[in-house]
Amino acid sequence: ETGVTQTPRHLVMGMTNKKSLKCEQHLGHNAMYWYKQSAKKPLELMFVYNFKEQTENNSVPSRFSPECPNSSHLFLHLHTLQPEDSALYLCASSPALLSYEQYFGPGTRLTVT
Amino acid sequence: DQQVKQNSPSLSVQEGRISILNCDYTNSMFDYFLWYKKYPAEGPTFLISISSIKDKNEDGRFTVFLNKSAKHLSLHIVPSQPGDSAVYFCAASGETSGSRLTFGEGTQLTVNP
Repeated sequence: ETGVTQTPRHLVMGMTNKKSLKCEQHLGHNAMYWYKQSAKKPLELMFVYNFKEQTENNSVPSRFSPECPNSSHLFLHLHTLQPEDSALYLCASSPALLSYEQYFGPGTRLTVT
Repeated sequence: DQQVKQNSPSLSVQEGRISILNCDYTNSMFDYFLWYKKYPAEGPTFLISISSIKDKNEDGRFTVFLNKSAKHLSLHIVPSQPGDSAVYFCAASGETSGSRLTFGEGTQLTVNP
């Protein structure tokens, strides 16, 4: 595997379910990011991790819980989501925190029913 | 308050002609600008960037122009090819925002054979 991978690619979950999104980067980068893209809206930054430490939480509701066990893996744990949380969730990585060029995974299309 | 705007949700161009995608920003602290391209079912991929110390950057068929006084940048693709059909995102960043990229809504480019 190369680049940034995300699993699953599609996820349908009920509002009472608990699920997790996984991201893995094979680029040797130190910074990782979660973005949300809702229909017809710009990408919104959710969380930033640098060397496994969270450096930014962009006022994301607590029903989204990130986890970064190491610099290569990033998870987004989901629980008690709302239908308006349905969106494309994109993971990205960059060589360093101040690197402007970020490398994106293909995303997970999440539908909350 | 949306700091990066792409006012054209879609653009259709004939193969071989020039495609011009536009982006406006409001934050005068932005000093680095990027264009990303996104195909369906894939994550955005970095295309070209420009620093605020320049007004033009060229890479093959792609040229980005920056007009700081107007807070406007544009991406020119010439000649356009059917494989260029994708969603193009403009993004901006500044020293004060670290690695935070602020994205526009995207423009769907369709290049017709």
